Amino acid sequence: AQTVTQSQPEMSVQEAETVTLSCTYDTSESDYYLFWYKQPPSRQMILVIRQEAYKQQNATENRFSVNFQKAAKSFSLKISDSQLGDAAMYFCAYRRAQGGSEKLVFGKGTKLTVNP
Amino acid sequence: NAGVTQTPKFRVLKTGQSMTLLCAQDMNHEYMYWYRQDPGMGLRLIHYSVGEGTTAKGEVPDGYNVSRLKKQNFLLGLESAAPSQTSVYFCASGISQRTSRRAHEQYFGPGTRLTVT
Repeated sequence: AQTVTQSQPEMSVQEAETVTLSCTYDTSESDYYLFWYKQPPSRQMILVIRQEAYKQQNATENRFSVNFQKAAKSFSLKISDSQLGDAAMYFCAYRRAQGGSEKLVFGKGTKLTVNP
Repeated sequence: NAGVTQTPKFRVLKTGQSMTLLCAQDMNHEYMYWYRQDPGMGLRLIHYSVGEGTTAKGEVPDGYNVSRLKKQNFLLGLESAAPSQTSVYFCASGISQRTSRRAHEQYFGPGTRLTVT
């Protein structure tokens, strides 16, 4: 079974600085998708960024980028120029590419605090 | 577009009572999912549906039933609520077309906080 591990229960960063959140996963599949979701205090799950395993290029979305290391099964999220609004729980998630009904497997989350 | 909506947002039940959570999506997505979120556990899949009239079990299905009579709606039922079902419930919908940039993404509703006493 696939598992996702987020080893940092909590992280903090100063406003305008850069922070990296870690995620590792375990799978025997070669084709899959990886996601980072943000959950602010409002509880809404917001998709931040996605990575397709067959693409070597790391995904970027404005201030958010990932470091995808397929061989190491590592998928970290870098937030540049951190803003107060980035404070939230961040969840790493995995999904098989085969079979459209496959579930998302989530890590336990990292709570990010942004200090002014 | 409202996206994914959930009704109700909050609910308190007594042990043994029953209730139904409603999820609706207006994005014409084929796939719909019910997850629960417990402290320190992340989100876990309860049941899912790949199309109207079809449902399947997820990781933690016991104590729950679902129905998908219409493509846009996915209902989650608790027949006899237990304190262990106190949780935040999220509905999600998604597509799975590889040619779409949004393939394999899931879009979440705002959640329902359920407390069973």
